[in-house]
Amino acid sequence: AQSVTQLDSHVSVSEGTPVLLRCNYSSSYSPSLFWYVQHPNKGLQLLLKYTSAATLVKGINGFEAEFKKSETSFHLTKPSAHMSDAAEYFCVATRATGNQFYFGTGTSLTVIP
Amino acid sequence: DAGVTQSPTHLIKTRGQHVTLRCSPISGHKSVSWYQQVLGQGPQFIFQYYEKEERGRGNFPDRFSARQFPNYSSELNVNALLLGDSALYLCASSSGVAGPTDTQYFGPGTRLTVL
Repeated sequence: AQSVTQLDSHVSVSEGTPVLLRCNYSSSYSPSLFWYVQHPNKGLQLLLKYTSAATLVKGINGFEAEFKKSETSFHLTKPSAHMSDAAEYFCVATRATGNQFYFGTGTSLTVIP
Repeated sequence: DAGVTQSPTHLIKTRGQHVTLRCSPISGHKSVSWYQQVLGQGPQFIFQYYEKEERGRGNFPDRFSARQFPNYSSELNVNALLLGDSALYLCASSSGVAGPTDTQYFGPGTRLTVL
């Protein structure tokens, strides 16, 4: 079974409107969940991390994600999109053993002026 | 503080050649992981090293090998290059002590093109 599924390969929003990037994970892959962002020709940057301390996680640049165990989801949201948010976003999970990161296939976010 | 550094930034090789990629972790980090990111896909795990010992290996052929040095820097070696090895190779460093909850910090990557 796919460890991490990003439900949308592309998302397009208008500047100033909310952003929702969806991620579902396999129930055997959830000691930690992360969201990373990758701007063109740049490295992966950590947005936020869930490690069971709180189900609503706040990250950098106004992003947040909510862990919902019943839905095995970890969707990324932002109230108001900015042009600089245009990038590729990756949902990542780890397992109870080992440190390997399991990446989703990515969601490309386009922000329309 | 310096982040994760990788060298070279770009590399062009021909089929059958060998390549060595290098990575220096964040100061104080003892674990290094390597990932392959093919265009349009998410990164795939290749190796993880901690305190010079291999801690994990992904589903890659034996042509791929790596090692970690006493200063915690790392090399990824790929022998007998194939066209399909063309990708962005990412190095990530972490403290190595938090297990599955350890955050990994990524370098900018090395873009390998195999002709």
